[in-house]
Amino acid sequence: NAGVTQTPKFRVLKTGQSMTLLCAQDMNHEYMYWYRQDPGMGLRLIHYSVGEGTTAKGEVPDGYNVSRLKKQNFLLGLESAAPSQTSVYFCASSYQDSATNEKLFFGSGTQLSVL
Amino acid sequence: QQQVKQSPQSLIVQKGGISIINCAYENTAFDYFPWYQQFPGKGPALLIAIRPDVSEKKEGRFTISFNKSAKQFSLHIMDSQPGDSATYFCAALNSGGYQKVTFGTGTKLQVIP
Repeated sequence: NAGVTQTPKFRVLKTGQSMTLLCAQDMNHEYMYWYRQDPGMGLRLIHYSVGEGTTAKGEVPDGYNVSRLKKQNFLLGLESAAPSQTSVYFCASSYQDSATNEKLFFGSGTQLSVL
Repeated sequence: QQQVKQSPQSLIVQKGGISIINCAYENTAFDYFPWYQQFPGKGPALLIAIRPDVSEKKEGRFTISFNKSAKQFSLHIMDSQPGDSATYFCAALNSGGYQKVTFGTGTKLQVIP
């Protein structure tokens, strides 16, 4: 059971380049999330999805786009990367069921550097 | 707006000692307070959680103390071990929403032998 898998694990971009981070979960979770982790800032929610075909903005959505075409996948896109987007990105998922839905399952992260 | 304030930012504890991390929240709609543990190079993982209808929850060496009137909660790690060295995040959410968890800024714990 793989859980939440993120690809790639590391990436270096030049300012203005674009890229897509892929998150896949095999737990049949309804909810999926993208967070960024920065020193001294904790984890901040970028975008989230409550089901296939739906997405919503989180706390820091600017400069990012997402898509949830399949229930198991949640993609995070950077259209024109900026140095301020240098961060570690985490994908997470959770159940919808009210009895078990408070637990987030995280991937192992993508370390992104924008030069 | 930082809705969950966490302190200290870093903590060094000797093996066998007690590690204490404190958090305070502002939003009275929060009704679930988890703690996540993160080892280097890994994603956070749920460690322990509490609801505001109880003042304390204990799981092994880990205890959450909760003070609803003060809007504060804390994690106590008893008999701290080097294997407990990690970053700890407190968090809060309204479980009636879409799991939009608000995290604290994290505490890097180092347990020295």
